Amino acid sequence: GAGVSQSPSNKVTEKGKDVELRCDPISGHTALYWYRQRLGQGLEFLIYFQGNSAPDKSGLPSDRFSAERTGESVSTLTIQRTQQEDSAVYLCASSPGGANTIYFGEGSWLTVV
Amino acid sequence: TQLLEQSPQFLSIQEGENLTVYCNSSSVFSSLQWYRQEPGEGPVLLVTVVTGGEVKKLKRLTFQFGDARKDSSLHITAAQPGDTGLYLCAGRRPGGTSYGKLTFGQGTILTVHP
Repeated sequence: GAGVSQSPSNKVTEKGKDVELRCDPISGHTALYWYRQRLGQGLEFLIYFQGNSAPDKSGLPSDRFSAERTGESVSTLTIQRTQQEDSAVYLCASSPGGANTIYFGEGSWLTVV
Repeated sequence: TQLLEQSPQFLSIQEGENLTVYCNSSSVFSSLQWYRQEPGEGPVLLVTVVTGGEVKKLKRLTFQFGDARKDSSLHITAAQPGDTGLYLCAGRRPGGTSYGKLTFGQGTILTVHP
């Protein structure tokens, strides 16, 4: 597709389980970002990838959160031992390197029960 | 601590009215962006302002960046129901190496009634 694609679009999981969220960026975009949006809130930066490297992980809230990117393409955000406060929409965005505009996917809505 | 304070948080108006949304900070930003987000979708960029005092117009939308690059406003003239959505401001801190690392305000939910 032409845009940023995220899966799953919705995920309900039990507290304590691990979840993986996937992002397919726009083809050729070297920069990839993960953000979290809690209900009624703005977006919180989580992590930034340039190629397969993550020069900025400063927004990851705890060591339960990790992310990787392979082939300068797909990225996976993993949340271990999920907690109820992890419930949010997780948004992925990508951009060409050095560009001012980033393009967001539709997000993965995570609910931890 | 919210670096970007957006106000009002909710705005409910009638079609044809004018409105202004404010985005304020005590910090300087190298640029500031405004996004619009509809339910179930990601934010979509409306505009980027870079220079202090800059004013940009996009049809019925007017965006302004404060002289000190600490605040911004979005003004909509003659609002229409299609303007309904969540409006977000987002700033890029000076010296950052990542263009996409943004600090977002908490958003303004705008509802325009026919």
